[in-house]
Amino acid sequence: DIQMTQSPSTLSASVGDRVTITCRASQSISSWLAWYQQKPGKAPKLLIYKASNLKSGVPSRFGGSGSGTEFTLTISSLQPDDFATYYCQQYESYSPYTFGQGTKLEIK
Amino acid sequence: EVQLVEFGGGLVTPGGSLRLSCAASGFTFSNAWMSWVRQAPGKGLEWVGRIKRKNEGGTTDYAAPVKGRFTISRDDSKNTLYLQMNSLKTEDTAVYYCTTLVPYFDNWGQGTLVTVSS
Repeated sequence: DIQMTQSPSTLSASVGDRVTITCRASQSISSWLAWYQQKPGKAPKLLIYKASNLKSGVPSRFGGSGSGTEFTLTISSLQPDDFATYYCQQYESYSPYTFGQGTKLEIK
Repeated sequence: EVQLVEFGGGLVTPGGSLRLSCAASGFTFSNAWMSWVRQAPGKGLEWVGRIKRKNEGGTTDYAAPVKGRFTISRDDSKNTLYLQMNSLKTEDTAVYYCTTLVPYFDNWGQGTLVTVSS
């Protein structure tokens, strides 16, 4: 299985901050990576696919980069609505599809 | 607008069975690959399995923890996805989400809670 490791597990930040979340794969996944946002009690929402492609309707303050084994999700200027848990997920291999453990973004 | 609505969750005793359904609308269901993803209470996301469209054989694939116990099927005439869960274990307790698969998880339902407990 391809293991996905996110860092940090928890991140405290303030409105207006620029934040970066890192996701590392245990082997190369090219650019086959997606990012999701989940708020408490709600279903996850797709933010980014193929490492850097923003899903339609997602604010442009969200950005993704990376390839191979190292990826980042950046929020350029945190808004109150952005405090949530974020997950990366690889789809280079469906056997199985795997997620990172999540990064909880908290208000400082 | 894509809508996915899961139902069928509930409380079941270990060793029991349950069938979840996911009603789809707002897209051409028969053309879609579909998947189930689950989330245990307070934990992260775990892929359960997927089903391809019928014209690609309707092939299914499963994660190791559920292989041989869970079965995914689809009824394109009803725009509905199913998850038959047998021999349930306490560790299967989770919210189960239905998703479209493109091959990332594009659209998600609101989830249905399955609790396996005696």
